[in-house]
Amino acid sequence: EAQVTQNPRYLITVTGKKLTVTCSQNMNHEYMSWYRQDPGLGLRQIYYSMNVEVTDKGDVPEGYKVSRKEKRNFPLILESPSPNQTSLYFCASSPRGFEQFFGPGTRLTVL
Amino acid sequence: EDKVVQSPLSLVVHEGDTVTLNCSYEVTNFRSLLWYKQEKKAPTFLFMLTSSGIEKKSGRLSSILDKKELSSILNITATQTGDSAIYLCAVNSGNTPLVFGKGTRLSVIA
Repeated sequence: EAQVTQNPRYLITVTGKKLTVTCSQNMNHEYMSWYRQDPGLGLRQIYYSMNVEVTDKGDVPEGYKVSRKEKRNFPLILESPSPNQTSLYFCASSPRGFEQFFGPGTRLTVL
Repeated sequence: EDKVVQSPLSLVVHEGDTVTLNCSYEVTNFRSLLWYKQEKKAPTFLFMLTSSGIEKKSGRLSSILDKKELSSILNITATQTGDSAIYLCAVNSGNTPLVFGKGTRLSVIA
């Protein structure tokens, strides 16, 4: 089944404790993106990648890192999480120029 | 900077009503405009529009693009409570992934 998977789906952590949210797609898509969604602010892009080893900042990259060592994986790393990073995170992938397929979301709470 | 603006931000209607949601954009190198529906989980794809004036339909939902006015509308006829969701508009411009609007929250009450 074609899909984008994210793990974990829910995470509660404390300020400063490094964490990684994994994202994997099995559709051989070139593009992958990370978004955060907050009430009243919509979906905001954090980072995106147009191919292996190619990543770019989106609208709100501060406090996040990504890597794209393989086409299928695009992990999101929070080196030192803070409460303002409490949010709902979505990973998405797409073939070039077409609709994005979203993962199920990761709800992160930073205390 | 690329921008997508949706209106209204929020809408409450009764079952059976028809609604029109708006999306306007300012982007360089427009490629396509997409509509998504988001209920309590990830957004799901509805339509992709690339050409002006050609209506796309799926059941009670339809959408059309006006490239001259840099806008699109999403129509839902005979609304049902199951249509309650956030409707997201996004634009694909050139080599970067999608730029999203903030969404329209539609609530359909019985």
